[in-house]
This record gives sequence, C-alpha cells and structure tokens, in this order.
Amino acid sequence: DVKVTQSSRYLVKRTGEKVFLECVQDMDHENMFWYRQDPGLGLRLIYFSYDVKMKEKGDIPEGYSVSREKKERFSLILESASTNQTSMYLCASNPGGRTYEQYFGPGTRLTVT
Amino acid sequence: GDSVTQMEGPVTLSEEAFLTINCTYTATGYPSLFWYVQYPGEGLQLLLKATKADDKGSNKGFEATYRKETTSFHLEKGSVQVSDSAVYFCALSDQGRGSTLGRLYFGRGTQLTVWP
Repeated sequence: DVKVTQSSRYLVKRTGEKVFLECVQDMDHENMFWYRQDPGLGLRLIYFSYDVKMKEKGDIPEGYSVSREKKERFSLILESASTNQTSMYLCASNPGGRTYEQYFGPGTRLTVT
Repeated sequence: GDSVTQMEGPVTLSEEAFLTINCTYTATGYPSLFWYVQYPGEGLQLLLKATKADDKGSNKGFEATYRKETTSFHLEKGSVQVSDSAVYFCALSDQGRGSTLGRLYFGRGTQLTVWP
C-alpha cells in the first residue's frame, strides 16, 4: 500500500513564525502536491512538484513556498505565518505517467494565533 | 478551465436509504474522473474511478458511471450504512496536458450523515 505521512497531525504557531510542514511518501512517486482544505471551499492546490528540485505554483501559492530536495520528501513552508493560514493542510502523491489518482496523507491541522 | 460542480450538502439519510450525490464537470478532452471519501479526522481516500466514457467505477457498494453526453459522474449507493458517514469529493484529472502533469480538480465536497 502507498503510504504518505505528514510530520504533525496538529500544530499551533504564532503569527510571524516560519512554519515547516513535512510530507514523505514511500512509493517512489514522481509527483507530489500540497493542498489546503477549508470548510465550504473544498481543496485548493497550493504547490506541486513533478521532480526533485522542480515545483509549480497551484491556485493559491501566495504566502507559501516549497522544497523538494529528495524524491520522497516535499516540504511546505509558511515564511511568516498569518491567522488566515489557519487551515487543514493535505499532502498527496501520485506515480506519474498515465496514472492520475493521488494518494493522500492524514493531514496537518495548523492553527496560527 | 477545468472544473467540478457537486451537489451541496449536507445530506442526511436513514440507514438503508438510497444515496445519490450529483457531480458534473467541465473539461476539454477526456479527463479521468474520481470519487474520494474523507472520514472524520483523516485524509482523503480514493473510493472509485473511471477513465473513459461509459466506464462504471465501483467499490464498497458505491457506483458511478462516466457519462460524457451529460458531463456527469454521479455517486450512488443502494443502501447506506452509518459507517458511510463522511465527506465525499468528486474530482477530475486534466490528463497531464502541458506542464500541469495530471493535477486534480476537486468539487467542494458533500457531507453525508447516516442515522441508525
């Protein structure tokens, strides 16, 4: 089974802090994705990566950056956390090629106070 | 651009009732279509998928048929259980055109609650 893990299930940070959310997948998948999930808005794509050191902006990249130094790990960085970044963050991966379904981690619920 | 519209919730049913959650899509080309389920406190799990017109995806008693003529992929289950209570998301893939490399577009989700 594909396993996608996220470093924390719950995280509380203060406004202005730099926040790192880590995601690791164990199936040698090419593509990795970061979403945020908010009530009534569904899932919105923040960034994705299709190779090591490669990244593309999704629909809401402002206030975020990402890093992919190794194939299995994809990090989401909040450079200066703000209260409007309080949300559930979901990481996903997919093998690439002609396989389009994504496999999700359990999510990190981030609260910025 | 590509998009998914799904039935707004919440949906509340009694156990053993019939379930339909509507999903329609807008896309160029021939996307793959998915239903994901999210149980409380968890991430999303793939429930079923269909990759071409007239395909029927099925899993755990849930079914959905890819209808190109109506651009729909409605989720159905004949007899729901309390354990089916969750949020359901419809999604499509843009099939990897250009640099977007198979990203998924999600509907806003439908909360289903099943009472005993």
